[in-house]
Amino acid sequence: DTEVTQTPKHLVMGMTNKKSLKCEQHMGHRAMYWYKQKAKKPPELMFVYSYEKLSINESVPSRFSPECPNSSLLNLHLHALQPEDSALYLCASSQNPSGRSESPLHFGNGTRLTVT
Amino acid sequence: SQQGEEDPQALSIQEGENATMNCSYKTSINNLQWYRQNSGRGLVHLILIRSNEREKHSGRLRVTLDTSKKSSSLLITASRAADTASYFCATGSYNQGGKLIFGQGTELSVKP
Repeated sequence: DTEVTQTPKHLVMGMTNKKSLKCEQHMGHRAMYWYKQKAKKPPELMFVYSYEKLSINESVPSRFSPECPNSSLLNLHLHALQPEDSALYLCASSQNPSGRSESPLHFGNGTRLTVT
Repeated sequence: SQQGEEDPQALSIQEGENATMNCSYKTSINNLQWYRQNSGRGLVHLILIRSNEREKHSGRLRVTLDTSKKSSSLLITASRAADTASYFCATGSYNQGGKLIFGQGTELSVKP
């Protein structure tokens, strides 16, 4: 079990659906991340929230919309996705933004998303 | 963008043998981290080495860093079947402003 909890574990959605992925951590971490991972590939950074503010958006299409309601929660709202968006979506947190300090990332177990 | 290149891409060994994985990167870094990922799970942080360090140990793990060659290696000694996983290096840099850039990964299979 990890200290970062992601729900749901699996999600199947059609291209016209709207859904949300949720992530929660109670470690007091001030940075939270969304990564996308395709099979047999490394995680690709999508968004970074630092102190509840969006600090990095890696040119992600607007059909993905992140939200950080408070320091413990991170959401990823999905709308009008494409089949190629099917992937494992990983949430992570760190004490401080990882590139600026030595804070390791703590990952959740991900949401396996399938877009039909 | 992905900074790290890892080799080998896949490694298959017998239990009890040592496993060595290599990581090369392109830009200057402040630290380099190694992560493990079991199939279908999230990544787990293994070890961090700072740019001013050359070697670090943690249990059966030994990490080296050569900043002049922009490379790092991860050695797992006396491997176990439970070490079967994908291993990723990741680089952190102030220039990357909060991003941790992952390498392509090595898929390790340890046969009992």
